[in-house]
Amino acid sequence: GAVVSQHPSWVICKSGTSVKIECRSLDFQATTMFWYRQFPKQSLMLMATSNEGSKATYEQGVEKDKFLINHASLTLSTLTVTSAHPEDSSFYICSARDFGPSGSRETQYFGPGTRLLVL
Amino acid sequence: GENVEQHPSTLSVQEGDSAVIKCTYSDSASNYFPWYKQELGKRPQLIIDIRSNVGEKKDQRIAVTLNKTAKHFSLHITETQPEDSAVYFCAAQPGTYKYIFGTGTRLKVLA
Repeated sequence: GAVVSQHPSWVICKSGTSVKIECRSLDFQATTMFWYRQFPKQSLMLMATSNEGSKATYEQGVEKDKFLINHASLTLSTLTVTSAHPEDSSFYICSARDFGPSGSRETQYFGPGTRLLVL
Repeated sequence: GENVEQHPSTLSVQEGDSAVIKCTYSDSASNYFPWYKQELGKRPQLIIDIRSNVGEKKDQRIAVTLNKTAKHFSLHITETQPEDSAVYFCAAQPGTYKYIFGTGTRLKVLA
């Protein structure tokens, strides 16, 4: 299957700082990527949909000024957690849409996740 | 709004037995249903999927069934092995691009 990378894999920061997380599709182009948040022993909660060349679409309850998303190229989306606080500590996972060789069978492939700890 | 319910939340089976996980979706426009396996601290991995024009799909020890009328779909794992132990998530795609995930099932295969 397609490969999605994410960087960094984990980060520890002080409260009030900003953290940038990168999501890359390594062997395919992704016009759409997704950002999820996952708390321990819980499901994947979609935060926002990242669209190449346009504004991200945020899910209800997700602050767009808090979680800045930029999708500047067909292989890279970034999520910036601004002014991070301890309650932002979580596992953040991205995924990218791949349409396969035929261009018609869509599948989402996930990155390895970024564990954020805000002190 | 769109919702996917998943049961059970935890499941323990003896090695060699079968495991079944069930999901129910609310949006009848859903047309694609993937299943992901997530090991502790790792990324979700797609293990099997089914589209709405198919009622059943099998890949070795894993099978998925879909009942569109009842709006539910199930994952079946036969001859379970310890390495099958993980959290399994179902998802539904309600006609748009995003997935709605179930709450997950923690499967433990006891040796």
